[in-house]
Amino acid sequence: DAGVTQSPTHLIKTRGQHVTLRCSPISGHKSVSWYQQVLGQGPQFIFQYYEKEERGRGNFPDRFSARQFPNYSSELNVNALLLGDSALYLCASRVQGNYGYTFGSGTRLTVV
Amino acid sequence: GDSVTQMEGPVTLSEEAFLTINCTYTATGYPSLFWYVQYPGEGLQLLLKATKADDKGSNKGFEATYRKETTSFHLEKGSVQVSDSAVYFCALSLDSNSGYALNFGKGTSLLVTP
Repeated sequence: DAGVTQSPTHLIKTRGQHVTLRCSPISGHKSVSWYQQVLGQGPQFIFQYYEKEERGRGNFPDRFSARQFPNYSSELNVNALLLGDSALYLCASRVQGNYGYTFGSGTRLTVV
Repeated sequence: GDSVTQMEGPVTLSEEAFLTINCTYTATGYPSLFWYVQYPGEGLQLLLKATKADDKGSNKGFEATYRKETTSFHLEKGSVQVSDSAVYFCALSLDSNSGYALNFGKGTSLLVTP
């Protein structure tokens, strides 16, 4: 079975640009979450979606937005990129309930 | 707010040594607790979990016991291997307005030498 898949794997953008990151959850998983991991730190929660509705939002500016589609895949959008947005962006999916998440390998975003 | 504190790394051990990585938490309520492992260049893998007090999670020789009285979830392994070299993250999850979002510690880097 396929795990959580994310695309692209690597991305280089210029300050001020916009970026869209994509995630496909494990089949049967209806909940998708996004995390930002800055080098040397633990992942920070950005968003959680379940059944296409936002169920939680971390402490990130409005430049960050996300959505979930009817097939449960998800997009993370970041506008007006800053150098500080350079990080590994991780997507995770789970069945409903508190049973732990399965993470994808992430998208490495570099803002120059 | 809810938080997780892990021991600072890096931790360097010889193969077959005993491993302990300390993790304590602060939470309003009764969280579930997790250990995740991240190998170089990869995403996170769930190593083990415990959902209530006194539960013991175990996997691949690693163990951790949910201790409510000391708010701890220390990771242990009796005999580490070179292949265990990775970064280990302790995390908690609560049904809050973030809907079971994971709250991670800063991670502990482990290097096992032959």
